[in-house]
Amino acid sequence: EDQVTQSPEALRLQEGESSSLNCSYTVSGLRGLFWYRQDPGKGPEFLFTLYSAGEEKEKERLKATLTKKESFLHITAPKPEDSATYLCAAAFDYKLSFGAGTTVTVRA
Amino acid sequence: EADIYQTPRYLVIGTGKKITLECSQTMGHDKMYWYQQDPGMELHLIHYSYGVNSTEKGDLSSESTVSRIRTEHFPLTLESARPSHTSQYLCASSDTGGAVNYGYTFGSGTRLTVV
Repeated sequence: EDQVTQSPEALRLQEGESSSLNCSYTVSGLRGLFWYRQDPGKGPEFLFTLYSAGEEKEKERLKATLTKKESFLHITAPKPEDSATYLCAAAFDYKLSFGAGTTVTVRA
Repeated sequence: EADIYQTPRYLVIGTGKKITLECSQTMGHDKMYWYQQDPGMELHLIHYSYGVNSTEKGDLSSESTVSRIRTEHFPLTLESARPSHTSQYLCASSDTGGAVNYGYTFGSGTRLTVV
């Protein structure tokens, strides 16, 4: 069964304290690995797509990496505005399977 | 500016009522999806459509139904709402190839409470 697991469930960081979020997947025929950001009361907002092991993508303080079994979202020197829930999703066919997310809180 | 719109944003309704959650997109995407999300839990796919007059059930069993008569419109209907239907419902769309290139575009969601 296709499965996406994210850890940790919650992460509390001090402003400037870098950290990483993990997404492990067991999806056969993976066509892409996606990262989304979700703010309270809103729909997920697309961040990155990764296709093959070794690939990396960057956007401001965020960097996503992909291996054959997992993906990492690195947050470098986070700011309070980076506080959100980060969702990982694996694509097979045209459908996405989502993890439960990691809620990141960055304190000033 | 949002390209996919969901209405209403919030809905509190009594048990047994029939409700329709609206979802419209202006991007001409052929594929549309409904996900259900409970607090702290993953999104679960309940319905999807790959084009007009095409609808399929998702991975999570749902008592809701959907229709796709127009490309831009993908409403979800509950014939008789129950407290167990209380949840957030998210609509999304993608174009052919877009799902594996750019993921989905999501609406802001409808938070449904059945009392």
